Amino acid sequence: SSEMTQPPSVSVSPGQTARITCSGDVLARKYIYWYQQKSGQAPVLVIYEDNKRPPGIPERFSGSMSGTMATLIINGAQVDDEADYYCYLTDNSGNVFGTGTKVTVL
Amino acid sequence: QIQLVQSGDDVKKPGASVRVSCKASGYIFTKYAITWVRQAPGQGLQWMGWISAANGNTNFAQSLQHRFNMAIDTSADTAYMELRSLRSDDTAVYYCARGGSMALDFWGRGTVVTVSS
Repeated sequence: SSEMTQPPSVSVSPGQTARITCSGDVLARKYIYWYQQKSGQAPVLVIYEDNKRPPGIPERFSGSMSGTMATLIINGAQVDDEADYYCYLTDNSGNVFGTGTKVTVL
Repeated sequence: QIQLVQSGDDVKKPGASVRVSCKASGYIFTKYAITWVRQAPGQGLQWMGWISAANGNTNFAQSLQHRFNMAIDTSADTAYMELRSLRSDDTAVYYCARGGSMALDFWGRGTVVTVSS
């Protein structure tokens, strides 16, 4: 199956912009999804099909795609955004999650 | 509202099997697949596989497919997963989620499976 790599951690001050990358060769021809997982909770979908926001997800969350790298952007990060974030890809040979990024807002 | 309610936490001995259920409500069950995802303590998310609630078609993670099975009971709007020959490294939180080859848009709360002698 495909492999997708994320930075282990990203730190940002409140109100600043956090960028979380996800890279992998197969990304160039697949949709990317992003999940937020707070401690002790189930994951929540925050971006689907590269750059679309589900209902109820704040506008400060956005996604972009360029070549073999996808990026989740949190504009004006808030303390409530502290969580682990995972990219996710669906593929006929097997779906796969990225390695995960811990976002700290302080 | 859409809900996925999973069965309770479980403790198993090495070599045993575990079965986890996921009861769906609030939507037409057969219109979506169910995906299973697990998360070992302190680790990331691992995709296990999905099953279509419409026709039972499946897609498994290669690393698990020889001891992992999924099933659907459309009369009860419930999906099941079974993991056999359990090992200590199967200790994890097991999640079901709505969706297969697309977004996983609703998730169960997770079932903790502990494998210990």
